[in-house]
Amino acid sequence: GIQVEQSPPDLILQEGANSTLRCNFSDSVNNLQWFHQNPWGQLINLFYIPSGTKQNGRLSATTVATERYSLLYISSSQTTDSGVYFCAVYSGGSNYKLTFGKGTLLTVNP
Amino acid sequence: GAGVSQTPSNKVTEKGKYVELRCDPISGHTALYWYRQSLGQGPEFLIYFQGTGAADDSGLPNDRFFAVRPEGSVSTLKIQRTERGDSAVYLCASSKHSGGRYNEQFFGPGTRLTVL
Repeated sequence: GIQVEQSPPDLILQEGANSTLRCNFSDSVNNLQWFHQNPWGQLINLFYIPSGTKQNGRLSATTVATERYSLLYISSSQTTDSGVYFCAVYSGGSNYKLTFGKGTLLTVNP
Repeated sequence: GAGVSQTPSNKVTEKGKYVELRCDPISGHTALYWYRQSLGQGPEFLIYFQGTGAADDSGLPNDRFFAVRPEGSVSTLKIQRTERGDSAVYLCASSKHSGGRYNEQFFGPGTRLTVL
């Protein structure tokens, strides 16, 4: 099956810093979602982005499907951005299942 | 509107017992998924429902796991003869009708299952 690799596995920032999280996948994908898992375990939808670039406030994402990667940009980070960021892909098939990476643990210090 | 809800939020049970985990999807979402998340890992697919039927249960780890969705809305994940290795967070997600294409999935808060 498809492999999803996220980097870096851990990231520590000072409040106000910018960061880029990367998601590589081993095969072509039909769709891709980015999630933020908060400290209480809730997965929050950030982007639904099979290709191209989207922006939402301080966050933006770019997926280059032909090169099998996606990037999540966080600007002017805040302590509330802390948590685990997951990339998940749908690579085809009638079950529409998402395959997740292991995530990037982001800690933003005040 | 209301998101996906799951009950209970936490469940502690003893090895060998039977447990049921409930998921209430977003109103109008006909597709429903169960995933399992172990510590330090991303969620892994268990089963997918489109309407009342289990369209794909290929992710269920063994025959102790079973899920139903009798009326096409609420789903229950059932685990028989629980084992310590079943301890994990069980996540439910829902999406609009597939209609032959992928639709964005939305997740519930999860049920943390601990088997002693």
